[in-house]
Amino acid sequence: QKEVEQDPGPLSVPEGAIVSLNCTYSNSAFQYFMWYRQYSRKGPELLMYTYSSGNKEDGRFTAQVDKSSKYISLFIRDSQPSDSATYLCAMSLTGGGNKLTFGTGTQLKVEL
Amino acid sequence: NAGVTQTPKFQVLKTGQSMTLQCAQDMNHNSMYWYRQDPGMGLRLIYYSASEGTTDKGEVPNGYNVSRLNKREFSLRLESAAPSQTSVYFCASSPQASGSSKTQYFGPGTRLLVL
Repeated sequence: QKEVEQDPGPLSVPEGAIVSLNCTYSNSAFQYFMWYRQYSRKGPELLMYTYSSGNKEDGRFTAQVDKSSKYISLFIRDSQPSDSATYLCAMSLTGGGNKLTFGTGTQLKVEL
Repeated sequence: NAGVTQTPKFQVLKTGQSMTLQCAQDMNHNSMYWYRQDPGMGLRLIYYSASEGTTDKGEVPNGYNVSRLNKREFSLRLESAAPSQTSVYFCASSPQASGSSKTQYFGPGTRLLVL
């Protein structure tokens, strides 16, 4: 069993929809949670960064962490075709250096 | 400010050939990383360097070597390439190896095909 599980998709939604992307994890020691966006044939770019539990909002993006359920989510409001990409969750331990454990990514397509 | 740069962008090798993938960052970061990305496997850490002068193995180090040439540069070497090393390779850097900032910044990747 992988430490971080993520549905690979693809997920196809109409423009303007609310998108929910999720990851589950098994290691309760993870404290730092990130979402990266990766466009086709490009490197991952950091989208959201959260420490411990709670919500964080940045424009149309909201990251949510539920440590009791070992579940993290990324919500995208008013989705746009430019949001079409693969979204990777990543997490890290306290004191574990900066090593990240990644999910396999969810491919999202926002259609006109 | 170029961020993290990688060369080459694309390379084709024959089995048994060697090559070095180059990575440089201009953000004055202390830590650097090499990942490979394969379909269905996500990003897997090959080697990392917490600071200049140190390197450590990651999850999949076999068949690779690294050199932290200076604070800016971190190279990945394949001594005898195998078809199983066909992948997309990403270099990343982060400000430091410990503390509250866990963010890593990625380069554009090198696509490697081993025949």
